[in-house]
Amino acid sequence: GDSVTQMEGPVTLSEEAFLTINCTYTATGYPSLFWYVQYPGEGLQLLLKATKADDKGSNKGFEATYRKETTSFHLEKGSVQVSDSAVYFCALISTGNQFYFGTGTSLTVIP
Amino acid sequence: GAGVSQSPRYKVAKRGQDVALRCDPISGHVSLFWYQQALGQGPEFLTYFQNEAQLDKSGLPSDRFFAERPEGSVSTLKIQRTQQEDSAVYLCASSPKGYYGYTFGSGTRLTVV
Repeated sequence: GDSVTQMEGPVTLSEEAFLTINCTYTATGYPSLFWYVQYPGEGLQLLLKATKADDKGSNKGFEATYRKETTSFHLEKGSVQVSDSAVYFCALISTGNQFYFGTGTSLTVIP
Repeated sequence: GAGVSQSPRYKVAKRGQDVALRCDPISGHVSLFWYQQALGQGPEFLTYFQNEAQLDKSGLPSDRFFAERPEGSVSTLKIQRTQQEDSAVYLCASSPKGYYGYTFGSGTRLTVV
């Protein structure tokens, strides 16, 4: 069945450090891939998405490229800020309307 | 409304009690979804409505869980005879159609004691 595996956390980085959160997937068909972010006490917010192979999603300095050959969708940011501290979820939608989420990666950025 | 609204934000229930969780989707959104997010986990799909029709309830963990959306707008997730393993955040999401424009609510945190 469809599933997402993402890097275990928590991740702690200093401000302006480079961020990578790994995400790989298993899916039937041709999934769309997403990164969601959850700030403390808030709901899930869409960060970026990619709907086909080799697409790059980007938003707020975050990027992820849909790699079909490695079934991956790693999240990257060149210079993190304290305000990026949150939990990040990789997710996919394949043949139905439901999301399959990874377990989440908690990021803390320290000044 | 401007976003998906869920109530209550927090609910504490004694084991064996029935609870009802409410979701007000964005006005005009056809699709509505419920997810369960256990502590430290990603959300897991429970059920999906298109208007008032419940098209998929494959994720409901037991027959104690029941969801409805009688007029195609507000939805209620009901859990009967709550158990400790039901403790989780219950997220509602709505979209204009299918998964495009999915918007999540802030969730209801249910604690069963």
